[in-house]
Amino acid sequence: AQTVTQSQPEMSVQEAETVTLSCTYDTSESDYYLFWYKQPPSRQMILVIRQEAYKQQNATENRFSVNFQKAAKSFSLKISDSQLGDAAMYFCAYQGVRYGGATNKLIFGTGTLLAVQP
Amino acid sequence: KAGVTQTPRYLIKTRGQQVTLSCSPISGHRSVSWYQQTPGQGLQFLFEYFSETQRNKGNFPGRFSGRQFSNSRSEMNVSTLELGDSALYLCASNFGRPQETQYFGPGTRLLVL
Repeated sequence: AQTVTQSQPEMSVQEAETVTLSCTYDTSESDYYLFWYKQPPSRQMILVIRQEAYKQQNATENRFSVNFQKAAKSFSLKISDSQLGDAAMYFCAYQGVRYGGATNKLIFGTGTLLAVQP
Repeated sequence: KAGVTQTPRYLIKTRGQQVTLSCSPISGHRSVSWYQQTPGQGLQFLFEYFSETQRNKGNFPGRFSGRQFSNSRSEMNVSTLELGDSALYLCASNFGRPQETQYFGPGTRLLVL
Protein backbone atom coordinates (compact mmCIF):
# COMPACT_ATOMS: atom_id res chain seq x y z
CA ALA A 1 0.00 0.00 0.00
CA GLN A 2 1.10 3.52 -0.69
CA THR A 3 1.96 5.82 2.22
CA VAL A 4 2.82 9.49 2.57
CA THR A 5 4.87 10.82 5.48
CA GLN A 6 5.27 14.39 6.63
CA SER A 7 7.71 14.45 9.52
CA GLN A 8 7.31 18.12 10.45
CA PRO A 9 4.06 18.69 12.36
CA GLU A 10 4.76 22.42 12.64
CA MET A 11 7.05 24.93 10.98
CA SER A 12 7.55 28.65 11.37
CA VAL A 13 9.01 31.22 8.99
CA GLN A 14 9.56 34.95 9.02
CA GLU A 15 7.70 37.01 6.48
CA ALA A 16 9.72 37.37 3.22
CA GLU A 17 11.94 34.40 4.13
CA THR A 18 12.08 30.96 2.53
CA VAL A 19 10.83 27.73 4.09
CA THR A 20 10.94 24.12 2.97
CA LEU A 21 8.35 21.53 3.93
CA SER A 22 9.33 17.86 3.71
CA CYS A 23 7.41 14.88 2.37
CA THR A 24 8.40 11.31 1.67
CA TYR A 25 6.27 8.59 0.16
CA ASP A 26 6.38 4.90 -0.41
CA THR A 27 5.04 3.17 -3.49
CA SER A 28 5.80 0.32 -5.82
CA GLU A 29 4.04 2.02 -8.69
CA SER A 30 6.09 3.63 -11.43
CA ASP A 31 3.56 6.18 -12.55
CA TYR A 32 1.85 8.59 -10.20
CA TYR A 33 1.16 12.21 -9.32
CA LEU A 34 2.25 14.15 -6.27
CA PHE A 35 0.57 17.23 -4.87
CA TRP A 36 0.84 19.86 -2.22
CA TYR A 37 -2.47 21.15 -0.91
CA LYS A 38 -3.01 24.10 1.39
CA GLN A 39 -5.78 24.15 3.98
CA PRO A 40 -6.28 27.56 5.63
CA PRO A 41 -8.49 28.01 8.72
CA SER A 42 -11.53 28.12 6.43
CA ARG A 43 -10.82 24.39 5.82
CA GLN A 44 -11.08 24.77 2.03
CA MET A 45 -8.43 22.59 0.40
CA ILE A 46 -6.53 24.48 -2.28
CA LEU A 47 -4.09 22.94 -4.73
CA VAL A 48 -0.69 24.59 -4.47
CA ILE A 49 1.37 22.56 -6.92
CA ARG A 50 1.46 19.20 -8.68
CA GLN A 51 4.20 16.99 -10.07
CA GLU A 52 3.95 14.15 -12.55
CA ALA A 53 6.32 11.33 -11.64
CA TYR A 54 7.45 10.81 -15.23
CA LYS A 55 8.66 14.43 -15.46
CA GLN A 56 12.18 14.99 -14.21
CA GLN A 57 11.79 18.75 -14.14
CA ASN A 58 10.64 20.13 -10.82
CA ALA A 59 7.30 21.93 -10.89
CA THR A 60 7.09 25.61 -10.02
CA GLU A 61 4.14 27.92 -9.43
CA ASN A 62 5.18 31.50 -8.73
CA ARG A 63 6.70 31.49 -5.22
CA PHE A 64 6.14 27.75 -4.79
CA SER A 65 8.49 25.11 -6.10
CA VAL A 66 9.19 21.47 -5.39
CA ASN A 67 12.28 19.32 -5.13
CA PHE A 68 11.21 15.95 -6.52
CA GLN A 69 13.67 13.13 -5.95
CA LYS A 70 12.04 10.04 -7.46
CA ALA A 71 14.71 7.53 -6.45
CA ALA A 72 14.67 8.78 -2.87
CA LYS A 73 10.86 9.06 -2.93
CA SER A 74 11.08 12.58 -1.62
CA PHE A 75 8.89 15.55 -2.54
CA SER A 76 9.58 18.77 -0.66
CA LEU A 77 7.85 22.12 -1.07
CA LYS A 78 9.79 25.38 -1.03
CA ILE A 79 7.94 28.61 -0.37
CA SER A 80 9.93 31.72 -1.25
CA ASP A 81 9.23 35.25 -0.06
CA SER A 82 6.74 33.93 2.51
CA GLN A 83 3.62 36.00 3.04
CA LEU A 84 1.19 36.17 5.93
CA GLY A 85 -1.44 34.58 3.71
CA ASP A 86 0.72 31.47 3.37
CA ALA A 87 -0.05 30.52 6.96
CA ALA A 88 -2.03 27.28 6.76
CA MET A 89 -1.86 23.52 7.07
CA TYR A 90 -0.01 22.00 4.13
CA PHE A 91 -0.71 18.46 2.99
CA CYS A 92 1.39 16.33 0.71
CA ALA A 93 -0.69 13.90 -1.35
CA TYR A 94 -0.12 10.94 -3.67
CA GLN A 95 -2.29 9.75 -6.54
CA GLY A 96 -1.48 6.53 -8.32
CA VAL A 97 -2.14 5.94 -11.98
CA ARG A 98 -4.17 2.80 -12.21
CA TYR A 99 -3.96 1.22 -15.62
CA GLY A 100 -7.14 -0.41 -16.79
CA GLY A 101 -9.20 2.07 -14.84
CA ALA A 102 -8.72 5.63 -13.74
CA THR A 103 -9.03 6.82 -10.18
CA ASN A 104 -8.84 10.15 -8.45
CA LYS A 105 -8.06 8.67 -5.03
CA LEU A 106 -5.63 10.83 -3.07
CA ILE A 107 -3.52 9.54 -0.19
CA PHE A 108 -2.61 12.34 2.17
CA GLY A 109 0.17 12.89 4.66
CA THR A 110 -0.57 14.09 8.17
CA GLY A 111 0.12 17.72 7.34
CA THR A 112 2.51 20.47 8.39
CA LEU A 113 1.13 23.54 10.11
CA LEU A 114 2.99 26.58 8.81
CA ALA A 115 3.06 29.79 10.82
CA VAL A 116 4.31 33.01 9.22
CA GLN A 117 5.73 35.58 11.61
CA PRO A 118 5.47 39.27 10.65
CA LYS B 1 -18.12 29.32 -12.61
CA ALA B 2 -19.52 28.21 -9.26
CA GLY B 3 -17.28 26.05 -7.11
CA VAL B 4 -18.01 22.76 -5.39
CA THR B 5 -20.79 23.17 -2.87
CA GLN B 6 -21.59 21.00 0.10
CA THR B 7 -24.72 20.97 2.20
CA PRO B 8 -25.32 21.25 5.01
CA ARG B 9 -22.22 22.98 6.31
CA TYR B 10 -22.77 21.90 9.91
CA LEU B 11 -24.69 19.04 11.45
CA ILE B 12 -25.24 17.76 14.96
CA LYS B 13 -26.57 14.24 15.38
CA THR B 14 -26.80 11.72 18.18
CA ARG B 15 -25.41 8.21 18.27
CA GLY B 16 -27.48 5.69 16.37
CA GLN B 17 -28.98 8.21 13.97
CA GLN B 18 -28.22 8.36 10.29
CA VAL B 19 -27.12 11.31 8.20
CA THR B 20 -27.00 12.27 4.53
CA LEU B 21 -24.50 14.76 3.16
CA SER B 22 -24.69 16.31 -0.28
CA CYS B 23 -22.05 17.46 -2.73
CA SER B 24 -22.70 19.42 -5.93
CA PRO B 25 -19.66 19.38 -8.22
CA ILE B 26 -18.53 22.11 -10.55
CA SER B 27 -20.69 22.21 -13.66
CA GLY B 28 -19.51 19.62 -16.17
CA HIS B 29 -17.51 17.60 -13.66
CA ARG B 30 -18.41 13.93 -13.59
CA SER B 31 -16.16 12.61 -10.83
CA VAL B 32 -16.87 13.18 -7.16
CA SER B 33 -14.64 11.89 -4.37
CA TRP B 34 -15.34 11.96 -0.63
CA TYR B 35 -12.86 12.27 2.22
CA GLN B 36 -13.15 12.15 6.00
CA GLN B 37 -10.88 14.44 8.01
CA THR B 38 -10.36 13.88 11.73
CA PRO B 39 -7.61 15.03 14.12
CA GLY B 40 -6.68 11.43 14.88
CA GLN B 41 -6.82 9.74 11.48
CA GLY B 42 -6.16 12.71 9.23
CA LEU B 43 -7.57 12.76 5.71
CA GLN B 44 -8.92 9.43 4.56
CA PHE B 45 -10.47 8.51 1.23
CA LEU B 46 -14.03 7.25 1.46
CA PHE B 47 -15.11 6.61 -2.12
CA GLU B 48 -15.22 8.02 -5.63
CA TYR B 49 -18.07 8.14 -8.08
CA PHE B 50 -17.83 8.68 -11.81
CA SER B 51 -20.85 8.76 -14.11
CA GLU B 52 -23.10 7.30 -11.40
CA THR B 53 -20.77 4.35 -10.74
CA GLN B 54 -18.54 3.82 -7.75
CA ARG B 55 -15.03 3.76 -9.18
CA ASN B 56 -13.02 3.30 -6.01
CA LYS B 57 -13.67 2.69 -2.34
CA GLY B 58 -11.64 3.23 0.83
CA ASN B 59 -11.47 1.08 3.95
CA PHE B 60 -14.57 2.17 5.77
CA PRO B 61 -17.33 0.01 7.24
CA GLY B 62 -20.52 -0.63 5.33
CA ARG B 63 -22.29 2.03 7.40
CA PHE B 64 -20.73 4.49 4.98
CA SER B 65 -22.37 4.52 1.58
CA GLY B 66 -22.75 6.88 -1.31
CA ARG B 67 -24.35 7.41 -4.63
CA GLN B 68 -24.23 9.73 -7.58
CA PHE B 69 -27.09 11.08 -9.61
CA SER B 70 -27.35 11.68 -13.33
CA ASN B 71 -26.55 15.39 -12.81
CA SER B 72 -23.31 14.32 -11.06
CA ARG B 73 -24.45 15.49 -7.65
CA SER B 74 -23.40 13.01 -5.01
CA GLU B 75 -24.66 12.06 -1.59
CA MET B 76 -23.02 10.10 1.15
CA ASN B 77 -24.91 8.41 3.93
CA VAL B 78 -23.72 7.25 7.31
CA SER B 79 -26.04 4.96 9.21
CA THR B 80 -25.97 4.09 12.92
CA LEU B 81 -23.72 7.01 13.77
CA GLU B 82 -20.89 6.54 16.24
CA LEU B 83 -18.99 9.18 18.21
CA GLY B 84 -15.95 8.48 16.05
CA ASP B 85 -17.84 9.59 12.95
CA SER B 86 -17.49 13.19 14.10
CA ALA B 87 -15.38 14.75 11.38
CA LEU B 88 -15.10 17.19 8.53
CA TYR B 89 -16.36 15.53 5.36
CA LEU B 90 -14.87 16.92 2.18
CA CYS B 91 -15.80 16.26 -1.39
CA ALA B 92 -13.79 16.98 -4.51
CA SER B 93 -14.66 16.99 -8.18
CA ASN B 94 -13.11 17.03 -11.63
CA PHE B 95 -14.01 15.89 -15.14
CA GLY B 96 -12.80 12.38 -14.31
CA ARG B 97 -9.29 12.04 -15.63
CA PRO B 98 -6.53 11.59 -13.02
CA GLN B 99 -4.30 14.24 -14.57
CA GLU B 100 -6.90 16.92 -13.89
CA THR B 101 -6.92 19.10 -10.82
CA GLN B 102 -9.47 18.12 -8.21
CA TYR B 103 -11.41 20.99 -6.67
CA PHE B 104 -12.57 20.66 -3.09
CA GLY B 105 -15.72 21.92 -1.48
CA PRO B 106 -15.81 23.75 1.88
CA GLY B 107 -16.78 20.60 3.75
CA THR B 108 -19.56 19.50 6.07
CA ARG B 109 -18.69 19.42 9.75
CA LEU B 110 -20.52 16.59 11.51
CA LEU B 111 -20.68 16.35 15.28
CA VAL B 112 -22.05 13.17 16.81
CA LEU B 113 -23.14 13.41 20.44
